[in-house]
Amino acid sequence: DTAVSQTPKYLVTQMGNDKSIKCEQNLGHDTMYWYKQDSKKFLKIMFSYNNKELIINETVPNRFSPKSPDKAHLNLHINSLELGDSAVYFCASSQVLRGAGGTDTQYFGPGTRLTVL
Amino acid sequence: TQLLEQSPQFLSIQEGENLTVYCNSSSVFSSLQWYRQEPGEGPVLLVTVVTGGEVKKLKRLTFQFGDARKDSSLHITAAQPGDTGLYLCAGVRDSNYQLIWGAGTKLIIKP
Repeated sequence: DTAVSQTPKYLVTQMGNDKSIKCEQNLGHDTMYWYKQDSKKFLKIMFSYNNKELIINETVPNRFSPKSPDKAHLNLHINSLELGDSAVYFCASSQVLRGAGGTDTQYFGPGTRLTVL
Repeated sequence: TQLLEQSPQFLSIQEGENLTVYCNSSSVFSSLQWYRQEPGEGPVLLVTVVTGGEVKKLKRLTFQFGDARKDSSLHITAAQPGDTGLYLCAGVRDSNYQLIWGAGTKLIIKP
């Protein structure tokens, strides 16, 4: 019944390693996102995909590469991990309602706490 | 530059007290949302306000959207420990429907 799921929940790794985080949504939404939440709890968008196409790519190091094999999945691969990459990474999905008073309710996964040692 | 400013950043009060959290911007939004995030979990939507001046109530929580659709407030009456969490506001822009997030207000209600 989980709407947006992420794996793993916790990830502890050494600097310089490459790691991936997986995300799946069963809500039938068209749009999926990756966010980074730092220690101060600020939620910063990294990427957004709509129907498997990249539509938002904020200023993120190119060591981060999202991949969307289909509409229900958006994975995040990180190369050459650095200490500053330590954070909680959230996946989210939404079905944007366009037009006057448009909304974009986002449904978040439980987060992946990444610790780089 | 933060497009959505939330204040206060941190608030710790006793159970039973009232409080108000603010979300301000110089930009106009198509709609504005409030989310609550509990430790170890992702944010969960509480409410969406769409019309300028709109007021929505969710039990002891009252949400208001400013007349000009640039700001919003969340008022909690008789706060309870279960209200503890990070409260995030997010505005939807007309142009691209992208959510703009505030930095959040961390609220602690002490028993």
